[in-house]
Amino acid sequence: NAGVMQNPRHLVRRRGQEARLRCSPMKGHSHVYWYRQLPEEGLKFMVYLQKENIIDESGMPKERFSAEFPKEGPSILRIQQVVRGDSAAYFCASSPSHDPGEPQHFGDGTRLSIL
Amino acid sequence: QQQVKQSPQSLIVQKGGISIINCAYENTAFDYFPWYQQFPGKGPALLIAIRPDVSEKKEGRFTISFNKSAKQFSLHIMDSQPGDSATYFCAASPVSSNTGKLIFGQGTTLQVKP
Repeated sequence: NAGVMQNPRHLVRRRGQEARLRCSPMKGHSHVYWYRQLPEEGLKFMVYLQKENIIDESGMPKERFSAEFPKEGPSILRIQQVVRGDSAAYFCASSPSHDPGEPQHFGDGTRLSIL
Repeated sequence: QQQVKQSPQSLIVQKGGISIINCAYENTAFDYFPWYQQFPGKGPALLIAIRPDVSEKKEGRFTISFNKSAKQFSLHIMDSQPGDSATYFCAASPVSSNTGKLIFGQGTTLQVKP
């Protein structure tokens, strides 16, 4: 029973490049959440998606960031023209529904470093 | 109003002692309060969760105490073990968002000394 899979685990980019982070939810889960964790801080909600739909992107920066969850394949968090401040751990979580009481299962994250 | 405030930032406890971590919130729309445990290099893992209709929930050595009127909740780890050394996050989920998104506290780094 595979858990939430994120790749790559570590990603290094130079300023101005693009970063693509992938998340495969647990089997049977069609709801995906992305969170960002800055050093020494808690996780901050970024975006919530269901298959082919963005439901809540209230935590996403207005520029350079986008997310998708296509009908087939993993969810993708895309950061264009990365800057030093984008350095963080990005976590994906999945659940079978959006019920607040439904546990969200987290992947082990992608550590993004910007040179 | 969307914040969850967590304290202490770090905690050192002797093996066998009780670890207590506290959280406070402002938004009365929050109705689900989970605690997550995170080891270095890993993602958060759900430890225990509570709804506001009960004041306490216990699972093994872990207990959540919930005070709805004070808008506070806490995690108690009984008989703390070195293997419990990790970062703990409280969180809350607002019903009004209808998305299940979690609002996390800042985290508490727990060290249990042998």
